[in-house]
Order: sequence, then C-alpha cells, then structure tokens
Amino acid sequence: AQSVAQPEDQVNVAEGNPLTVKCTYSVSGNPYLFWYVQYPNRGLQFLLKYITGDNLVKGSYGFEAEFNKSQTSFHLKKPSALVSDSALYFCAVRDIGGGFKTIFGAGTRLFVKA
Amino acid sequence: AAGVIQSPRHLIKEKRETATLKCYPIPRHDTVYWYQQGPGQDPQFLISFYEKMQSDKGSIPDRFSAQQFSDYHSELNMSSLELGDSALYFCATTVGTSINEQFFGPGTRLTVL
Repeated sequence: AQSVAQPEDQVNVAEGNPLTVKCTYSVSGNPYLFWYVQYPNRGLQFLLKYITGDNLVKGSYGFEAEFNKSQTSFHLKKPSALVSDSALYFCAVRDIGGGFKTIFGAGTRLFVKA
Repeated sequence: AAGVIQSPRHLIKEKRETATLKCYPIPRHDTVYWYQQGPGQDPQFLISFYEKMQSDKGSIPDRFSAQQFSDYHSELNMSSLELGDSALYFCATTVGTSINEQFFGPGTRLTVL
C-alpha cells in the first residue's frame, strides 16, 4: 500500500530564513510524489511533483523538493520564507495500484513570523 | 484557462436531509475523483470514475452514492446526513487513469446542523 508520512504537525520559521517541511513515503514500485498547499477555507493548490528524473524538483512560488530514494524522503524546501507562505502543506502520493487516486499525508501547518 | 468547477461552494443542511454536490471537469478530462476533508484532517479518497464507470472506491459511506454523466460531470449524492458529514468535499479531474496531474476544484463546504 502507498502512504506518506509528515512527521511534523507544525513548523515555525522566521521570515527570510530557509524552511523545510518533511515527508517520507512508503510505496511499492516507483513513487509518484506531490506537494500541495492549502490556505484557510480554500482548495488545494499544486506546488510540485516528482515522477522521474532529477532528484531536485522545482515548483511554484519558489518552492522545491528533494527526492531521496535511500531515505525514502521528499522534503519540501524554500530558501527564504515569506509570511504569505503560512498555510497547510500536504505531501501526497499517487496510488498506482488503485486507480491512481491521491493519498495525502496528515498535513503540516507552516507558520512564518515577520 | 478553465478550471474544475464545483457547485455549490457552500451548503448548509439539517440532519437526515439529502445533499447533491456537483463537479464539472476541465474540458477533455474524463476522470473524476472525490475527496472528503474533515475539519483539521487530510483529504480522504471517496470514489472515482473513468469514462462514466466507477474506477475505484474508498471510504465512502453507504449513504453516499455518485455517478458520472455523459458530459463527464459528476454528482455526489448524500442522504441521511449526519453531523459528521460536515466537511470540505473536493473533486479532482484528469485525463485517463494514469499519473497525469489531477486538478482540484475549489471544494464544496458542507455544514450539517
């Protein structure tokens, strides 16, 4: 079964500092990994994905993620956090054995202080 | 660019009432996934359709049913509503059953009183 885990409920970072939101995955076969962001009372916005290729994936709003096969991780990163980055972040995996539905992690709330 | 449309955006119902949520895919998208996100929770997969046929089923209660129509829009029908059904309901659409990107709609917020 495919799954992702986000070990941190909340991440706090000061504006201008680098941020990391952690995600580990457990899949059978090749992983298809995604990051989404959700602002209060809003839908899910796609940030980036890893399907194959370079381990460093660049996405929207200056975010990037590093795929690490040996550590089964797909951490989300940004070199310099903005207050407007404060939101709920979901790591997700596509269930390639089950209709390609998206399986989400529990989410990590990011707070960026000015 | 056209996005996924969900209607209504907000819905308030009483317990034991019924509700119908609608999802209109991006043009040429033939696959629809429904997810339920309870307060403070991650989205959970409910059910999906490809080419008007159910393709996968998740944690969808028996009180709920869904279908996909010839124009590929989908409707989620919810009966005998319970307080615990209060949630944000997303649909996501894509082309085919593959790793193609799923595009999420803005969601319908259902409140059961």
